[in-house]
Amino acid sequence: ILNVEQSPQSLHVQEGDSTNFTCSFPSSNFYALHWYRWETAKSPEALFVMTLNGDEKKKGRISATLNTKEGYSYLYIKGSQPEDSATYLCASEFNDYKLSFGAGTTVTVRA
Amino acid sequence: DVKVTQSSRYLVKRTGEKVFLECVQDMDHENMFWYRQDPGLGLRLIYFSYDVKMKEKGDIPEGYSVSREKKERFSLILESASTNQTSMYLCASISRRTEAFFGQGTRLTVV
Repeated sequence: ILNVEQSPQSLHVQEGDSTNFTCSFPSSNFYALHWYRWETAKSPEALFVMTLNGDEKKKGRISATLNTKEGYSYLYIKGSQPEDSATYLCASEFNDYKLSFGAGTTVTVRA
Repeated sequence: DVKVTQSSRYLVKRTGEKVFLECVQDMDHENMFWYRQDPGLGLRLIYFSYDVKMKEKGDIPEGYSVSREKKERFSLILESASTNQTSMYLCASISRRTEAFFGQGTRLTVV
């Protein structure tokens, strides 16, 4: 089993504060790294798909970086808002077509 | 605008029954996946398929099988349902290195 790991499992953030969390993945057979946002009672929705070492992507107040050589990615939320409360999933896409997810980081933003 | 459709939102089945979960996508994606989601465990990969009639075991395939007779349809089969298969099941489809699209999920209860 190729493990994709996320940390921390959960975090609480005060509204207006910035935060970040980590996804680590096996660097062998790497093909792409995905980030998804998953709200309760909905299906996961894509944030980013990154493929190149050093990639940085941004969508509004959310951004992500990728290091394929050491096998990690960071997701950053700047100026957290209550609507950012969700579970954030990362997934590694491998050369053998497999798409494996981490267990997620659940973010709760307190007003 | 529906892209990935799962046949049922809620199912209740008896122990020992054969259960079929259907997933259909309309995006002509090559790759399709079945996951189960349990609290604290994220999305665990059961089976995936990268082409018609091609299938590969994921991380937790025991007690499951799959069928992909047509490109748009990927079925998950529980040969003899057991109570430990009570879970939320999510189907996803993807074209490589692009975002995955998910179905709405099927909450299966085995009694």
